[in-house]
Amino acid sequence: QVQLVESGGAVVQPGRSLRLSCAASGFTFISYGMHWVRQAPGKGLEWVAVAWYDENSKYYADSVKGRFTISRDNSKSTLHLQMKSLRAEDTAVYYCARGKIGVDAMDVWGQGTTVTVSS
Amino acid sequence: SYVLTQPPSVSVAPGQTARITCGGNKIGSKSVHWYQQKPGQAPVMVVYDDSDRPSGIPERFSGSNSGNTATLTISRVEAGDEADYYCQVWDGSSAHYVFGTGTKVTVL
Repeated sequence: QVQLVESGGAVVQPGRSLRLSCAASGFTFISYGMHWVRQAPGKGLEWVAVAWYDENSKYYADSVKGRFTISRDNSKSTLHLQMKSLRAEDTAVYYCARGKIGVDAMDVWGQGTTVTVSS
Repeated sequence: SYVLTQPPSVSVAPGQTARITCGGNKIGSKSVHWYQQKPGQAPVMVVYDDSDRPSGIPERFSGSNSGNTATLTISRVEAGDEADYYCQVWDGSSAHYVFGTGTKVTVL
């Protein structure tokens, strides 16, 4: 079945780096755009970044641009999010989500991985 | 940047109809998508492209979009519909995906 499994969440100090991963299975990974969406404790959803099937098409939210890098390894059906210069406001559950083909929406979501930025 | 505004909460009795609005400038010219999120769970898409339903989503969930307001309608509300609901669009001018502020639906 279609599945997304995130990993890599941790407690990290402000200013440090962290890399999240999302393992995809049950579908042809290269055919889909892939997103990261986050949710701070008690808050709403915030889109973070998207990587389309080719490495040249990536977009970022203003809040993370220049600090976060989204990448994908199509040979391993894996999505990554490299996060640098982490701030307290980056504390959130990070979800990996699949973009629905032909639609600017997200049709499959992982269960999320938790990032806590605290000294 | 593009802003989507939702009411913080909507309360509805079982069997009645819940309507959740999503306001945005000329949102009628965009495709609107809706997600349901229950406590401790990942979001689930319930409506896409204004009014289409993914497979497995009950017909009780429907959507509309016109002018400056999109609406998610839940007919014959059940206790299991209690959740947070978010609208979402793609803002081509900024190349950003945008989520609404979210609405908590309480079933009385």
